[in-house]
Amino acid sequence: DTEVTQTPKHLVMGMTNKKSLKCEQHMGHRAMYWYKQKAKKPPELMFVYSYEKLSINESVPSRFSPECPNSSLLNLHLHALQPEDSALYLCASSPQGAVMNTEAFFGQGTRLTVV
Amino acid sequence: AQTVTQSQPEMSVQEAETVTLSCTYDTSESDYYLFWYKQPPSRQMILVIRQEAYKQQNATENRFSVNFQKAAKSFSLKISDSQLGDAAMYFCASTGTASKLTFGTGTRLQVTL
Repeated sequence: DTEVTQTPKHLVMGMTNKKSLKCEQHMGHRAMYWYKQKAKKPPELMFVYSYEKLSINESVPSRFSPECPNSSLLNLHLHALQPEDSALYLCASSPQGAVMNTEAFFGQGTRLTVV
Repeated sequence: AQTVTQSQPEMSVQEAETVTLSCTYDTSESDYYLFWYKQPPSRQMILVIRQEAYKQQNATENRFSVNFQKAAKSFSLKISDSQLGDAAMYFCASTGTASKLTFGTGTRLQVTL
């Protein structure tokens, strides 16, 4: 299994809603990542988990709350989002924990629309 | 800090021809890695090719090869015998000792018959 699976594929939420994005991998990778990608732009790093511990938070607003319950699962909890948060949210994983010198495997993303 | 620059927003190539996508980067790290990722309309980022900066030999992966010029901080991607399935957005990316993959702005490649 060489896949990173993200659910849901599409999500529409109101500004007062609470929702969660889910990411799963069963490749035994020890680092997992959340990226945000606006239309026609490159992905921007949000969070990095290394060995299930948050190692990088790129000054992301607190309305985004990551969680790594175990080494295979990564969640992104969303609350009180703004319309400008609408984007493609990509999850990725890589084999090693702290050093990213190997391939990162990406999921297909969740297309989020905030109304 | 690392920066990656792709100066070609769009490129077009005829099927079976060869195309080269440009990428330059800047980094203060001595040990780093460079990547080309492909993002088709399906949205999934797929690794095309990887280059370790300490290796002088250019990486090759089937129809894909790179021209890595370390002194010039240049990392171009050559696609030979282009196929319709190669049409996608291509991102050049770099990473150093931290777990941060820095992407360029991308080049949209069209493949025509």
